[in-house]
Amino acid sequence: EIVLTQSPGTLSLSPGERATLSCRASQSVTSTYLAWYQLKPGLAPRLLIYDISSRATGIPDRFSGSGSGTDFSLIISRLEPEDFAVYYCQQYGSSPLTFGGGTKVEIK
Amino acid sequence: EVLLVESGGGLVQPGGSLRLSCAASGFTFSNSWMNWARQAPGKGLEWVANIKKDGTETHYIDSVKGRFTISRDNARNSLYLQMSSLRAEDTAVYYCVGGTGWLTRYWGQGTLVTVSS
Repeated sequence: EIVLTQSPGTLSLSPGERATLSCRASQSVTSTYLAWYQLKPGLAPRLLIYDISSRATGIPDRFSGSGSGTDFSLIISRLEPEDFAVYYCQQYGSSPLTFGGGTKVEIK
Repeated sequence: EVLLVESGGGLVQPGGSLRLSCAASGFTFSNSWMNWARQAPGKGLEWVANIKKDGTETHYIDSVKGRFTISRDNARNSLYLQMSSLRAEDTAVYYCVGGTGWLTRYWGQGTLVTVSS
């Protein structure tokens, strides 16, 4: 099983600032099968990024993903008020599919 | 528009059973791997199980193997999760999830399962 470790656990930032979220895998992720999701209370999880760096339909270009092998990042270039949420990375290349523990981006 | 609507959640006693259903529309259900995922109160996301397009292959997280069964009916565009021998730690919001290959692209709103006496 591939274990994903996200850091930091909480990120306290102001609107307009840049957010950098990290996701480290316990072993190399199969191919490019790494995704990022946004979770808000009461809403369905929202796919942001798939295949490490491809934005899902309708996702603004302030969200970007990068990385390879075992180290991955999600960057939000300029935080908007609606971006304050919890973010999860996920690998979907091997079973069981696994998620990281999440990073909460909160308003400072 | 993709729509995934879960139903069947509720309160069940430890050791009991429950069957979740998911009605899918807005995409080619029969051509999609389908999944169940969950989020326990105050915890993160956890993938539970998936099933191949034609139902011939399934995968489960270890903690539910032998207790949960995922199935599908492509004629009805429906996904199911039969849960038995339920434990307190199975308490969670359960999501029906579909997508491209194993990418979990489309998520339902979820249905709450509470295991408690």
